Amino acid sequence: AQKITQTQPGMFVQEKEAVTLDCTYDTSDQSYGLFWYKQPSSGEMIFLIYQGSYDEQNATEGRYSLNFQKARKSANLVISASQLGDSAMYFCAMREGRTNAGKSTFGDGTTLTVKP
Amino acid sequence: NAGVTQTPKFQVLKTGQSMTLQCAQDMNHEYMSWYRQDPGMGLRLIHYSVGAGITDQGEVPNGYNVSRSTTEDFPLRLLSAAPSQTSVYFCASSRKVTGSNSPLHFGNGTRLTVT
Repeated sequence: AQKITQTQPGMFVQEKEAVTLDCTYDTSDQSYGLFWYKQPSSGEMIFLIYQGSYDEQNATEGRYSLNFQKARKSANLVISASQLGDSAMYFCAMREGRTNAGKSTFGDGTTLTVKP
Repeated sequence: NAGVTQTPKFQVLKTGQSMTLQCAQDMNHEYMSWYRQDPGMGLRLIHYSVGAGITDQGEVPNGYNVSRSTTEDFPLRLLSAAPSQTSVYFCASSRKVTGSNSPLHFGNGTRLTVT
């Protein structure tokens, strides 16, 4: 079974509107972390936001927030006030366990297109 | 700081050729890893290392070797290239922490084509 599922291969959003990118995960570990990365068309991978399994508050980083619903095993990325530069592929990833050796499992990604 | 540096950026190989993808980081990170990204898919872990002299296999290790003689360097060797290894390869590093709050720092990737 896939550990990280991103069900939206592509999403469109109007500039200045908010958009939610979905991510569900599967793990039996109590300690884990969830990450979102952005990959623009230039190809590099950029870390956006992190949520720990024990964090009670949803993570926020500027216009990015993570809607963490632990019981539903979902970690959706919310981008507020979309900008043209937000057009990119977005990956959800998980790191399991307390000693994780830097290993992460990635979803297949969602391509976001921001329309002017 | 340069972060994670990968070379080359692009490479074309013929089937059966061997080559080494270079990766170096200057952040003194303990953990380093190699991922491949195929079209329409996420990143899959090839090999990883928790420190100098220690490496282990990831999800898709066949056809690749790694070694880690220093904290800074983590080269990936393709022993006998196959068309199925056509992909974009990313090297990543991260700090050793207790818990999971240590994001991956990526190199800019190597686009490899095997004909």
